[in-house]
Amino acid sequence: AQSVSQHNHHVILSEAASLELGCNYSYGGTVNLFWYVQYPGQHLQLLLKYFSGDPLVKGIKGFEAEFIKSKFSFNLRKPSVQWSDTAEYFCAVSPAVSNTGGFKTIFGAGTRLFVKA
Amino acid sequence: DSGVTQTPKHLITATGQRVTLRCSPRSGDLSVYWYQQSLDQGLQFLIHYYNGEERAKGNILERFSAQQFPDLHSELNLSSLELGDSALYFCASSVEIAGGFYEQYFGPGTRLTVT
Repeated sequence: AQSVSQHNHHVILSEAASLELGCNYSYGGTVNLFWYVQYPGQHLQLLLKYFSGDPLVKGIKGFEAEFIKSKFSFNLRKPSVQWSDTAEYFCAVSPAVSNTGGFKTIFGAGTRLFVKA
Repeated sequence: DSGVTQTPKHLITATGQRVTLRCSPRSGDLSVYWYQQSLDQGLQFLIHYYNGEERAKGNILERFSAQQFPDLHSELNLSSLELGDSALYFCASSVEIAGGFYEQYFGPGTRLTVT
């Protein structure tokens, strides 16, 4: 079965520290990959996405992620976090559209990031 | 603001009851998806509708059903509610990027509390 694994459930960092959140997925076919952020009390927002091409993708708010196909990984990075980055981060995988035209996204369990001011 | 709207924002009901959650997709989006976010299960895909037709099903219970209407809004019906159904229910709509891949936009969610 398809699954997404996020290595860290809780991360605590000080402001200006560097961030790397791990994500691995299990799916043998072509996928597109996402990182979403959910600020407290808010809905999911797309941080960045990978469909094809350059495996290093840049998103909003200074985040980037690298797709390593051989490792089935899509880790999220930010060189210097801010207090406002405190949120929950979800890695997600979407296989290509099925033969019935269906499309779904499989989410990891999420990583709660707390940035100390 | 993603452009996806969901009503109501909050819903409190008792076990055994039935509720209906509503979602309006972004203008022009034909696909609607439903997800359930709970503490123990995380974010789970429930169902995908495209232009009124069911296209994919995930971990959706038989007590739950959904439909998408001609005006493209969607409703998720939850019946015989149990305490474990308490969760945040998200709706998303999508636009096709290329080659069968879609980018989803999520609504603010409906928080359901079953007492």
